[in-house]
Amino acid sequence: KNEVEQSPQNLTAQEGEFITINCSYSVGISALHWLQQHPGGGIVSLFMLSSGKKKHGRLIATINIQEKHSSLHITASHPRDSAVYICAVEKVGGGGADGLTFGKGTHLIIQP
Amino acid sequence: ETGVTQSPTHLIKTRGQQVTLRCSSQSGHNTVSWYQQALGQGPQFIFQYYREEENGRGNFPPRFSGLQFPNYSSELNVNALELDDSALYLCASSLLQGALGYTFGSGTRLTVV
Repeated sequence: KNEVEQSPQNLTAQEGEFITINCSYSVGISALHWLQQHPGGGIVSLFMLSSGKKKHGRLIATINIQEKHSSLHITASHPRDSAVYICAVEKVGGGGADGLTFGKGTHLIIQP
Repeated sequence: ETGVTQSPTHLIKTRGQQVTLRCSSQSGHNTVSWYQQALGQGPQFIFQYYREEENGRGNFPPRFSGLQFPNYSSELNVNALELDDSALYLCASSLLQGALGYTFGSGTRLTVV
């Protein structure tokens, strides 16, 4: 079983819909990252969370440390939001030297 | 302030050959991590360099090696290439071993034939 699981794997929605992508993890973490990957490969960091909630524009990320669960929400989705969204965790005690442990990603398509 | 630059963007090599991939870290960042991303999978941690020394390694064989230079740029070397080494190789730079987040490059797409 992977240490970081995301759902759904694939999501197709209409423009304007509210999107939720979920991430569950089975290890102790010091931080959780949400990342966006476009075709071609480049990765953009969206959020780094250790507790609570963060908001940036139409994106909201939440984390529940007790339940080992995080969600990424996109409000008023737009076709330009189409990308792969990846959840990654930093395991506790690694001091960063263990790198990030990634989920497999959620492939999101927003149709006009 | 420049971001993370990786070169080359694409590369085709023959099984058994050696390859060197390069990464220029973001200005002010002293830590570089390398990841391998197979098609349809999430990235897998290869190793991390902090202040020119390897200070963390994932489950990759010794034929994967690296260097970090005084300007904090980095190289990933892979010897005796295998077909399964075909992947996107991503470099991420950070300050204080990721304590303040990571900046990723666009990756190098390696194809081994």
